[in-house]
Amino acid sequence: DVKVTQSSRYLVKRTGEKVFLECVQDMDHENMFWYRQDPGLGLRLIYFSYDVKMKEKGDIPEGYSVSREKKERFSLILESASTNQTSMYLCASSLTGTGRLQVSQPQHFGDGTRLSIL
Amino acid sequence: DQQVKQNSPSLSVQEGRISILNCDYTNSMFDYFLWYKKYPAEGPTFLISISSIKDKNEDGRFTVFLNKSAKHLSLHIVPSQPGDSAVYFCAASAFSGTYKYIFGTGTRLKVLA
Repeated sequence: DVKVTQSSRYLVKRTGEKVFLECVQDMDHENMFWYRQDPGLGLRLIYFSYDVKMKEKGDIPEGYSVSREKKERFSLILESASTNQTSMYLCASSLTGTGRLQVSQPQHFGDGTRLSIL
Repeated sequence: DQQVKQNSPSLSVQEGRISILNCDYTNSMFDYFLWYKKYPAEGPTFLISISSIKDKNEDGRFTVFLNKSAKHLSLHIVPSQPGDSAVYFCAASAFSGTYKYIFGTGTRLKVLA
């Protein structure tokens, strides 16, 4: 079974702090993703990475950055936390298929980090 | 611009009856669709998927139907069980060389015993 582990289940930080959220997967997946989940808005993609040191912006990258130095680890960084970044953050990983299977590989999610910015 | 829409935020169904969850999309380039289930305090788990070359995919009690002309998909759960109570997200993807999905806003299903 694929295991995606997020380092913290709950986190409380103050505005202006630099916040690191860590995610590790154990199945040698090429692709990793960071989402945030907010009521009424579903899951929105912040950043994703399809290889080590590679990253691409998702739909809401403002105020965030990411780091992928090793294949199994994908970090989300809030450069200067603000109250509107209070949310549930979800990390996911997936395999890269070939050809049309490139987009047919399900993403496997961690259990989430509930982040509160005070 | 919400490309994937789940217009029903919640749904209640009696145990043993059919649950039908709906999802609409606007991008005709989407060619792969998935359903995820999410329990509180857990991450979403993959449930079932369908490619645009099919109009139906079945896995046990779960069936997904795709109507490309209407840009609509639905998830049928028969029979519904209390353990099915969760939030269900549909997601869509286009074959464009990237690996990302667009998720809907979710439907909270409550199965009443």
